[in-house]
Amino acid sequence: DTAVSQTPKYLVTQMGNDKSIKCEQNLGHDTMYWYKQDSKKFLKIMFSYNNKELIINETVPNRFSPKSPDKAHLNLHINSLELGDSAVYFCASSPQSGTWWEQYFGPGTRLTVT
Amino acid sequence: SQQGEEDPQALSIQEGENATMNCSYKTSINNLQWYRQNSGRGLVHLILIRSNEREKHSGRLRVTLDTSKKSSSLLITASRAADTASYFCATDPSNYKLTFGKGTLLTVNP
Repeated sequence: DTAVSQTPKYLVTQMGNDKSIKCEQNLGHDTMYWYKQDSKKFLKIMFSYNNKELIINETVPNRFSPKSPDKAHLNLHINSLELGDSAVYFCASSPQSGTWWEQYFGPGTRLTVT
Repeated sequence: SQQGEEDPQALSIQEGENATMNCSYKTSINNLQWYRQNSGRGLVHLILIRSNEREKHSGRLRVTLDTSKKSSSLLITASRAADTASYFCATDPSNYKLTFGKGTLLTVNP
């Protein structure tokens, strides 16, 4: 019954490694998002896809690359991890793009880079 | 600085009391949303209010919007311990993305 799921829930890795976070939604939504929440709880959008097409690409280092194999999945790959990448990453979805739709969030992936 | 900012940063009340949180923003918006985040969990949508609406209710929640003052408030009546969470407002300075504040941490003591 999980609407938006993410794996893994926790990710501990060393600097310089490459890692991926997976996200899936079973709501039939067209739009998916990746957010980063820092230690001060500030939530910032990173990317958004609508029907597999990238529509939002905020000022994010090139080391971050999203991939949407289909509209139910949006994965986040991070190359050459840095200490500053430590945060909680949330996937979200909405029925369509645009800010007049509510967003459904996943449980988050806590990434710790050592 | 971010578009939406919640006030206060933290609020502690007793069960049964009302809790009021405020959100101020800088540029004009189409709508404003409120979300709740329990510790260690994802955000949950509470209510959306459009720029042409002044007040909206959902159960024990009441949201007001004053576009002339660029501010919104979230009132939770008859609070319960389960309402303990962080509450975020999200605004849309553009049509395509939401901008979140840093949230108000509400603690409801039993």
